[in-house]
Amino acid sequence: EDQVTQSPEALRLQEGESSSLNCSYTVSGLRGLFWYRQDPGKGPEFLFTLYSAGEEKEKERLKATLTKKESFLHITAPKPEDSATYLCAVLILTGGGNKLTFGTGTQLKVEL
Amino acid sequence: DTAVSQTPKYLVTQMGNDKSIKCEQNLGHDTMYWYKQDSKKFLKIMFSYNNKELIINETVPNRFSPKSPDKAHLNLHINSLELGDSAVYFCASSHFGRSYEQYFGPGTRLTVT
Repeated sequence: EDQVTQSPEALRLQEGESSSLNCSYTVSGLRGLFWYRQDPGKGPEFLFTLYSAGEEKEKERLKATLTKKESFLHITAPKPEDSATYLCAVLILTGGGNKLTFGTGTQLKVEL
Repeated sequence: DTAVSQTPKYLVTQMGNDKSIKCEQNLGHDTMYWYKQDSKKFLKIMFSYNNKELIINETVPNRFSPKSPDKAHLNLHINSLELGDSAVYFCASSHFGRSYEQYFGPGTRLTVT
Protein backbone atom coordinates (compact mmCIF):
# COMPACT_ATOMS: atom_id res chain seq x y z
CA GLU A 1 0.00 0.00 0.00
CA ASP A 2 1.21 3.50 -0.83
CA GLN A 3 2.39 5.35 2.26
CA VAL A 4 3.75 8.79 3.05
CA THR A 5 5.13 9.40 6.54
CA GLN A 6 6.33 12.69 7.93
CA SER A 7 8.45 13.36 10.98
CA PRO A 8 8.49 14.90 13.43
CA GLU A 9 4.78 15.49 14.00
CA ALA A 10 5.57 18.80 15.65
CA LEU A 11 8.68 20.93 15.86
CA ARG A 12 9.38 24.00 17.93
CA LEU A 13 12.34 26.17 16.94
CA GLN A 14 13.81 29.41 18.14
CA GLU A 15 14.11 32.13 15.53
CA GLY A 16 17.32 31.51 13.57
CA GLU A 17 17.59 27.86 14.63
CA SER A 18 17.89 25.80 11.44
CA SER A 19 16.38 22.32 11.16
CA SER A 20 14.97 19.76 8.73
CA LEU A 21 11.63 18.07 8.24
CA ASN A 22 11.47 14.55 6.87
CA CYS A 23 9.08 12.90 4.43
CA SER A 24 9.56 9.21 3.67
CA TYR A 25 7.49 7.33 1.13
CA THR A 26 6.80 3.86 -0.18
CA VAL A 27 4.78 4.11 -3.35
CA SER A 28 4.56 2.43 -6.70
CA GLY A 29 4.23 4.52 -9.80
CA LEU A 30 5.67 7.64 -8.20
CA ARG A 31 5.37 10.63 -10.47
CA GLY A 32 6.83 13.25 -8.18
CA LEU A 33 7.00 14.55 -4.62
CA PHE A 34 5.59 17.89 -3.57
CA TRP A 35 5.68 20.15 -0.57
CA TYR A 36 2.77 22.27 0.60
CA ARG A 37 2.41 24.76 3.41
CA GLN A 38 -0.83 25.04 5.40
CA ASP A 39 -1.59 27.96 7.70
CA PRO A 40 -4.26 27.57 10.40
CA GLY A 41 -7.77 27.91 9.01
CA LYS A 42 -6.58 27.88 5.40
CA GLY A 43 -6.09 25.43 2.59
CA PRO A 44 -2.66 24.07 1.67
CA GLU A 45 -0.46 26.22 -0.54
CA PHE A 46 1.88 24.69 -3.11
CA LEU A 47 5.62 25.17 -2.46
CA PHE A 48 7.87 22.78 -4.39
CA THR A 49 8.02 20.06 -7.02
CA LEU A 50 10.69 17.35 -6.98
CA TYR A 51 10.87 14.64 -9.62
CA SER A 52 14.13 12.77 -9.36
CA ALA A 53 16.65 11.70 -6.71
CA GLY A 54 19.29 14.35 -6.19
CA GLU A 55 17.01 17.20 -7.18
CA GLU A 56 16.90 20.31 -4.98
CA LYS A 57 14.61 23.32 -4.96
CA GLU A 58 14.91 26.54 -2.94
CA LYS A 59 12.58 29.32 -1.95
CA GLU A 60 13.68 31.97 0.53
CA ARG A 61 14.63 30.10 3.73
CA LEU A 62 13.32 26.74 2.50
CA LYS A 63 15.20 24.10 0.55
CA ALA A 64 13.67 20.78 -0.49
CA THR A 65 15.74 17.74 -1.44
CA LEU A 66 14.83 14.29 -2.70
CA THR A 67 16.38 10.82 -2.45
CA LYS A 68 14.94 7.53 -3.67
CA LYS A 69 13.02 6.98 -0.46
CA GLU A 70 12.64 10.31 1.26
CA SER A 71 12.58 14.05 1.00
CA PHE A 72 13.81 16.71 3.37
CA LEU A 73 12.61 20.25 3.83
CA HIS A 74 15.47 22.26 5.27
CA ILE A 75 14.62 25.49 7.02
CA THR A 76 17.53 27.89 7.40
CA ALA A 77 17.38 30.65 10.01
CA PRO A 78 13.59 30.42 10.35
CA LYS A 79 11.40 33.35 11.30
CA PRO A 80 8.08 33.34 13.17
CA GLU A 81 6.23 33.78 9.87
CA ASP A 82 7.51 30.35 8.81
CA SER A 83 5.25 28.82 11.45
CA ALA A 84 2.77 26.54 9.69
CA THR A 85 2.05 22.90 8.98
CA TYR A 86 4.20 21.54 6.18
CA LEU A 87 2.71 18.73 4.14
CA CYS A 88 4.47 16.53 1.67
CA ALA A 89 2.57 14.67 -1.02
CA VAL A 90 3.33 12.14 -3.72
CA LEU A 91 1.64 12.02 -7.09
CA ILE A 92 0.46 8.55 -7.99
CA LEU A 93 -0.84 7.38 -11.32
CA THR A 94 -4.23 5.73 -11.01
CA GLY A 95 -6.62 4.32 -13.55
CA GLY A 96 -8.52 7.57 -13.71
CA GLY A 97 -5.74 10.05 -13.42
CA ASN A 98 -3.08 11.32 -11.09
CA LYS A 99 -3.87 11.74 -7.44
CA LEU A 100 -2.01 13.40 -4.59
CA THR A 101 -1.46 11.33 -1.46
CA PHE A 102 -0.52 13.52 1.48
CA GLY A 103 1.50 12.81 4.59
CA THR A 104 0.17 13.75 8.01
CA GLY A 105 2.27 16.90 8.15
CA THR A 106 4.79 18.52 10.47
CA GLN A 107 3.48 21.38 12.56
CA LEU A 108 6.28 23.94 12.83
CA LYS A 109 6.31 26.67 15.45
CA VAL A 110 9.06 29.30 15.31
CA GLU A 111 9.40 31.44 18.42
CA LEU A 112 11.17 34.73 19.01
CA ASP B 1 -10.28 38.02 -6.49
CA THR B 2 -10.60 34.72 -4.68
CA ALA B 3 -9.15 31.88 -6.76
CA VAL B 4 -11.00 28.96 -5.14
CA SER B 5 -13.98 29.78 -2.96
CA GLN B 6 -16.16 27.55 -0.81
CA THR B 7 -19.45 28.15 0.94
CA PRO B 8 -20.25 27.92 3.70
CA LYS B 9 -17.08 28.26 5.77
CA TYR B 10 -18.74 26.71 8.81
CA LEU B 11 -21.57 24.20 8.89
CA VAL B 12 -23.11 22.85 12.08
CA THR B 13 -25.88 20.33 11.71
CA GLN B 14 -27.50 17.34 13.36
CA MET B 15 -27.11 13.69 12.57
CA GLY B 16 -29.38 12.48 9.81
CA ASN B 17 -29.60 15.82 8.01
CA ASP B 18 -28.63 16.44 4.39
CA LYS B 19 -26.27 19.29 3.54
CA SER B 20 -24.36 20.70 0.58
CA ILE B 21 -21.05 22.51 0.19
CA LYS B 22 -20.39 24.62 -2.86
CA CYS B 23 -17.09 25.28 -4.58
CA GLU B 24 -16.15 27.65 -7.38
CA GLN B 25 -12.83 28.41 -9.04
CA ASN B 26 -11.97 31.30 -11.35
CA LEU B 27 -8.53 30.07 -12.40
CA GLY B 28 -9.63 28.53 -15.67
CA HIS B 29 -8.67 25.06 -14.44
CA ASP B 30 -10.25 21.95 -15.91
CA THR B 31 -9.89 19.64 -12.90
CA MET B 32 -11.44 19.97 -9.45
CA TYR B 33 -11.15 17.92 -6.28
CA TRP B 34 -12.73 17.33 -2.90
CA TYR B 35 -10.56 16.47 0.09
CA LYS B 36 -11.41 15.60 3.67
CA GLN B 37 -9.09 16.66 6.50
CA ASP B 38 -9.72 14.91 9.78
CA SER B 39 -9.01 16.05 13.31
CA LYS B 40 -5.43 14.79 13.03
CA LYS B 41 -4.90 17.02 9.99
CA PHE B 42 -4.71 14.06 7.60
CA LEU B 43 -5.76 15.26 4.16
CA LYS B 44 -7.31 12.60 1.94
CA ILE B 45 -8.72 12.89 -1.54
CA MET B 46 -12.37 11.97 -2.02
CA PHE B 47 -13.23 12.83 -5.61
CA SER B 48 -11.72 14.37 -8.71
CA TYR B 49 -13.53 15.76 -11.74
CA ASN B 50 -12.01 16.64 -15.10
CA ASN B 51 -14.17 18.66 -17.48
CA LYS B 52 -17.26 17.76 -15.45
CA GLU B 53 -16.48 14.05 -15.56
CA LEU B 54 -15.69 11.99 -12.48
CA ILE B 55 -12.17 10.58 -12.80
CA ILE B 56 -11.23 9.67 -9.25
CA ASN B 57 -13.64 8.23 -6.72
CA GLU B 58 -11.92 7.01 -3.59
CA THR B 59 -13.60 4.71 -1.10
CA VAL B 60 -16.23 7.16 0.04
CA PRO B 61 -19.70 6.24 1.36
CA ASN B 62 -22.53 6.57 -1.15
CA ARG B 63 -24.00 9.27 1.08
CA PHE B 64 -21.44 11.62 -0.50
CA SER B 65 -22.38 12.74 -3.99
CA PRO B 66 -20.36 15.29 -5.92
CA LYS B 67 -21.88 17.26 -8.75
CA SER B 68 -20.10 19.37 -11.34
CA PRO B 69 -22.49 21.59 -13.33
CA ASP B 70 -19.57 23.11 -15.25
CA LYS B 71 -15.77 23.20 -15.17
CA ALA B 72 -15.70 26.04 -12.66
CA HIS B 73 -17.98 24.45 -10.06
CA LEU B 74 -17.88 21.30 -7.98
CA ASN B 75 -20.44 20.84 -5.25
CA LEU B 76 -20.58 18.18 -2.57
CA HIS B 77 -23.87 16.88 -1.24
CA ILE B 78 -23.94 14.72 1.86
CA ASN B 79 -26.99 12.69 2.85
CA SER B 80 -27.86 11.32 6.28
CA LEU B 81 -24.95 12.98 8.05
CA GLU B 82 -23.10 10.98 10.70
CA LEU B 83 -20.87 12.04 13.57
CA GLY B 84 -17.83 10.67 11.72
CA ASP B 85 -18.44 13.10 8.87
CA SER B 86 -17.26 15.95 11.08
CA ALA B 87 -14.10 17.30 9.44
CA VAL B 88 -12.81 20.12 7.29
CA TYR B 89 -13.63 19.67 3.62
CA PHE B 90 -11.39 21.31 1.05
CA CYS B 91 -12.08 21.95 -2.57
CA ALA B 92 -9.11 22.30 -4.93
CA SER B 93 -8.48 22.82 -8.62
CA SER B 94 -5.67 22.39 -11.10
CA HIS B 95 -4.86 21.96 -14.76
CA PHE B 96 -5.17 18.27 -15.61
CA GLY B 97 -1.57 18.09 -16.80
CA ARG B 98 -0.31 19.79 -13.63
CA SER B 99 -2.39 17.91 -11.10
CA TYR B 100 0.34 18.22 -8.48
CA GLU B 101 -0.01 22.01 -8.38
CA GLN B 102 -3.39 22.27 -6.81
CA TYR B 103 -4.98 25.45 -5.53
CA PHE B 104 -7.06 24.91 -2.44
CA GLY B 105 -10.08 26.72 -1.15
CA PRO B 106 -10.29 27.96 2.46
CA GLY B 107 -12.14 24.87 3.65
CA THR B 108 -15.56 24.17 5.14
CA ARG B 109 -15.59 23.04 8.75
CA LEU B 110 -18.48 20.59 9.13
CA THR B 111 -19.60 19.70 12.62
CA VAL B 112 -22.23 17.02 13.06
CA THR B 113 -23.88 16.88 16.48
